[in-house]
Amino acid sequence: EVQLVESGGGLVKPGGSLRLSCAASGFTFSSYSMNWVRQAPGKGLEWVSSISSSSSYIYYADSVKGRFTISRDNAKNSLYLQMNSLRAEDTAVYYCAREMARTYYMDVWGKGTTVTVSS
Amino acid sequence: DIQMTQSPSSVSASVGDRVTITCRASQGISSWLAWYQQKPGKAPKLLIYAASSLQSGVPSRFSGSGSGTDFTLTISSLQPEDFATYYCQQANSFPSTFGQGTRLEIK
Repeated sequence: EVQLVESGGGLVKPGGSLRLSCAASGFTFSSYSMNWVRQAPGKGLEWVSSISSSSSYIYYADSVKGRFTISRDNAKNSLYLQMNSLRAEDTAVYYCAREMARTYYMDVWGKGTTVTVSS
Repeated sequence: DIQMTQSPSSVSASVGDRVTITCRASQGISSWLAWYQQKPGKAPKLLIYAASSLQSGVPSRFSGSGSGTDFTLTISSLQPEDFATYYCQQANSFPSTFGQGTRLEIK
């Protein structure tokens, strides 16, 4: 079964850091670009970051550029998001999502992990 | 960034109804559009990509159409499990952007 499982969310104070992980299974992880997408409480979907299959291409939304770092370990079938200098507006459910080949479409999603930034 | 605007923001309908949701892009995106369904507390699910291609496993009562700036998602005969929020997403250019969502409620 194709599956993505996020972990690492939690409560953190403004200015703090958190590292999210996404464990992939059931497909050849190293062949796919991967994304992080977030959803603030009661709000819509916001693309956060993407990384190509070999980590050659990395992109960020302006809202997180300079604060978040995406990475992957193909040997461990894992995707990561290092989040620094967190702000209240980063509070959201964070989803990892697989990207369909050579598109921005996301065909497999994890269940999400919740990040709450509050003092 | 390309802005995606969905209408209506919410719609009430009954089981068996035909429902159409519209998505408009702020500039032309050819057919680079996807539709997702999201139920409360769950992850989004890809329904349609490339404006009109049905994702594997998605019931045929879902269909998509359009190109350029105007797109529609149609559910031909609503089923109880279809009540959810639907999002469009443009995949034409970086950064990919989503519409604000359309909540489909039971009448």
